[in-house]
Amino acid sequence: TQLLEQSPQFLSIQEGENLTVYCNSSSVFSSLQWYRQEPGEGPVLLVTVVTGGEVKKLKRLTFQFGDARKDSSLHITAAQPGDTGLYLCAGATGGTYKYIFGTGTRLKVLA
Amino acid sequence: EAGVAQSPRYKIIEKRQSVAFWCNPISGHATLYWYQQILGQGPKLLIQFQNNGVVDDSQLPKDRFSAERLKGVDSTLKIQPAKLEDSAVYLCASSLVFRDGYTFGSGTRLTVV
Repeated sequence: TQLLEQSPQFLSIQEGENLTVYCNSSSVFSSLQWYRQEPGEGPVLLVTVVTGGEVKKLKRLTFQFGDARKDSSLHITAAQPGDTGLYLCAGATGGTYKYIFGTGTRLKVLA
Repeated sequence: EAGVAQSPRYKIIEKRQSVAFWCNPISGHATLYWYQQILGQGPKLLIQFQNNGVVDDSQLPKDRFSAERLKGVDSTLKIQPAKLEDSAVYLCASSLVFRDGYTFGSGTRLTVV
């Protein structure tokens, strides 16, 4: 069973700081997605990466897929209170059509 | 477009009782998923449907959980009998194409007492 480990588990920072969240696995993924989930709601898709080494930017968020497609990172520049939430990575291995979710990183940005 | 609809939003039952959750995916989305999310953890896939056929139910505790998707649209997930450890949020998601992101519903929060 593939396992996606996210680190850190919890992160509390001040508004304006930068942060990086990591998603690691021993499995190779055909694609990897990042979601953000707010309390009482379902996860919302932020990005999908499919190519090793790929970098995608979404405003202040930068996503990178590892060269070997086993890991990914999410970097947030100048965090804002609106970035608060649970960040989840999810990976799919070749030949499957289902995403396995990571353990999650709970981020709190203080004003 | 309308999102994924789930009901009820909240449910409290006693252990050994039965409960059912309903999901209406986005129109035209052939693939439907049920996930279980225990507090503080990432969602865990229970079952995946493609139209009205089951693609993967390897993580579904079949002695107590069942799911169906009649006519390839709405889906129901049932637990009978419920255990304390079934307390979780049950999320339904749908997608048009595999590599598209899932669209999740708001979930049903189940508390078993």
